[in-house]
Amino acid sequence: GAGVSQTPSNKVTEKGKYVELRCDPISGHTALYWYRQSLGQGPEFLIYFQGTGAADDSGLPNDRFFAVRPEGSVSTLKIQRTERGDSAVYLCASSLTGLRGYTFGSGTRLTVV
Amino acid sequence: AQSVTQLGSHVSVSEGALVLLRCNYSSSVPPYLFWYVQYPNQGLQLLLKYTSAATLVKGINGFEAEFKKSETSFHLTKPSAHMSDAAEYFCAVSDEEGAQKLVFGQGTRLTINP
Repeated sequence: GAGVSQTPSNKVTEKGKYVELRCDPISGHTALYWYRQSLGQGPEFLIYFQGTGAADDSGLPNDRFFAVRPEGSVSTLKIQRTERGDSAVYLCASSLTGLRGYTFGSGTRLTVV
Repeated sequence: AQSVTQLGSHVSVSEGALVLLRCNYSSSVPPYLFWYVQYPNQGLQLLLKYTSAATLVKGINGFEAEFKKSETSFHLTKPSAHMSDAAEYFCAVSDEEGAQKLVFGQGTRLTINP
């Protein structure tokens, strides 16, 4: 596609529920990144995929967070047993050339009530 | 570990005035440095990047930034502000391209007064 697509754009869920956030990268981009942006903060790194494998998941805050990219294209960020502190904008980016060429999506705003 | 400090969470300038947004970084190795802009309800858009070539980097929309190693700074400037420049600006650093992740500052909200 022309850009990085993230769905849904907004998600409201109840505390304790499970959510999935989807990222559709630019066609042909092998690298995919997830970041989390809390209110009033800069984005924080969560996980980076090169192809199908997670090359760096050091930013995932705990084992309730998990991400997959089974075919090396679309990625899903999964959050179990959501907590109010998980409320944030979740940003996805993709790249063909690493840091020199990140393209970010518009994000998914997650609100846990 | 690398870190970024953006001085001033809010900056307000008049239309046509100089824009200066400050960024200082901490890195143990030569850094890669970036400025991103975020308009309301949109993703981050790359303004410019420094990757160890020229120290004065020109970006989109008339913005530029100068890498000063002695001051560990990478301040963003624009000679003449336009109303459309109102947005949130983020400075980011990465130690090496292989690391593949960015560390962002807290952001600076730029307001343009008519």
